[in-house]
Amino acid sequence: DQQVKQNSPSLSVQEGRISILNCDYTNSMFDYFLWYKKYPAEGPTFLISISSIKDKNEDGRFTVFLNKSAKHLSLHIVPSQPGDSAVYFCAASSTSGTYKYIFGTGTRLKVLA
Amino acid sequence: GAVVSQHPSRVICKSGTSVKIECRSLDFQATTMFWYRQFPKQSLMLMATSNEGSKATYEQGVEKDKFLINHASLTLSTLTVTSAHPEDSSFYICSATPGGNPHGYTFGSGTRLTVV
Repeated sequence: DQQVKQNSPSLSVQEGRISILNCDYTNSMFDYFLWYKKYPAEGPTFLISISSIKDKNEDGRFTVFLNKSAKHLSLHIVPSQPGDSAVYFCAASSTSGTYKYIFGTGTRLKVLA
Repeated sequence: GAVVSQHPSRVICKSGTSVKIECRSLDFQATTMFWYRQFPKQSLMLMATSNEGSKATYEQGVEKDKFLINHASLTLSTLTVTSAHPEDSSFYICSATPGGNPHGYTFGSGTRLTVV
């Protein structure tokens, strides 16, 4: 049972345009969400997080939106740059538990120059 | 910032042998570390939670006798893959968080294990 889903395995975007990566979850107990970026053969790098008390969090070119009623979050990257090409994972946890994170399956973003 | 060092980055071993992977928090103490495994084109799957000074907590389906975890100090957790088989070949990653902050996880750079 995949509690965190990223239904798009890949996404291609032109440089300078907006990249939108989506993530859905099923467990209503999840109340904290993270986005990670991962290059091949490397560990994930933290990008941005959001708590369920917010519906938006912004950090530079990265903005995460959370729609609790739809159990959906999205990561917006604007403007997209070729260096953003990587696999992006969303992860969710319940702060009432042991803070274990459940990861989505990832979306491979390719930004075309 | 918090740094987690993982060693080795790549290891090839023969079937039947054991391999130890180290995860160190370099500039902070970590009472809890997490071990993940990633198969090609799949998600990071949590294997176990490593607790300093006590037994690790394994996720359902993970064999604790095969994947031995030792968290003997506040800066070091080790994962030993015992009697390795080719199906154990995978990318193993650890993570830790300083000060018990549940939302500040830093990941190690990962270990690519190939069992031949």
